[in-house]
Amino acid sequence: DGGITQSPKYLFRKEGQNVTLSCEQNLNHDAMYWYRQDPGQGLRLIYYSQIVNDFQKGDIAEGYSVSREKKESFPLTVTSAQKNPTAFYLCASSSSGTGGAEAFFGQGTRLTVV
Amino acid sequence: GQQVMQIPQYQHVQEGEDFTTYCNSSTTLSNIQWYKQRPGGHPVFLIQLVKSGEVKKQKRLTFQFGEAKKNSSLHITATQTTDVGTYFCAGRTSGTYKYIFGTGTRLKVLA
Repeated sequence: DGGITQSPKYLFRKEGQNVTLSCEQNLNHDAMYWYRQDPGQGLRLIYYSQIVNDFQKGDIAEGYSVSREKKESFPLTVTSAQKNPTAFYLCASSSSGTGGAEAFFGQGTRLTVV
Repeated sequence: GQQVMQIPQYQHVQEGEDFTTYCNSSTTLSNIQWYKQRPGGHPVFLIQLVKSGEVKKQKRLTFQFGEAKKNSSLHITATQTTDVGTYFCAGRTSGTYKYIFGTGTRLKVLA
């Protein structure tokens, strides 16, 4: 089945630790995105990538880092510098980085930092 | 920076009543997309609007893009319990590749 997979679904970490969230797609999409969703709020863009080996900061990139070494993969690292990391993280991909295509979302990772 | 607001934030309706959510951008948009997120789920694409004044229909759902391409609306006729969820608009401005999501409207349908 084609799709976009995020793992794990739930993640618990101690404060001060870095954590990496996985996002893999087999849709052959060029563009990939990371969003953060807080309870009762919309989606805020963290980072996006239009093509392999290239990525741009979104609106709330501070405290996060990404890599795009392979077309299929776009992992997100939540660093200890992120002041309020507990949230629902959504990864998405689309066929075109030029903005005209629908985004397909993964199931999300719910990160809790204690 | 660009902002996309949606109203209302919440809406409770009786099953069979109509529902409308409005999306307003601080800047002119190149295109706008609409997504639905069921409780506990992830956003799922519904439709994309590109042209000024465009109207598209999907069964009981009607989507409009304003003439000035700064606002959009989603209207659901005769709501059903399966319509429950949060509806998001996502707008893109010309020259950028990123979409800014609206704040969302959470719809509850009472049977």
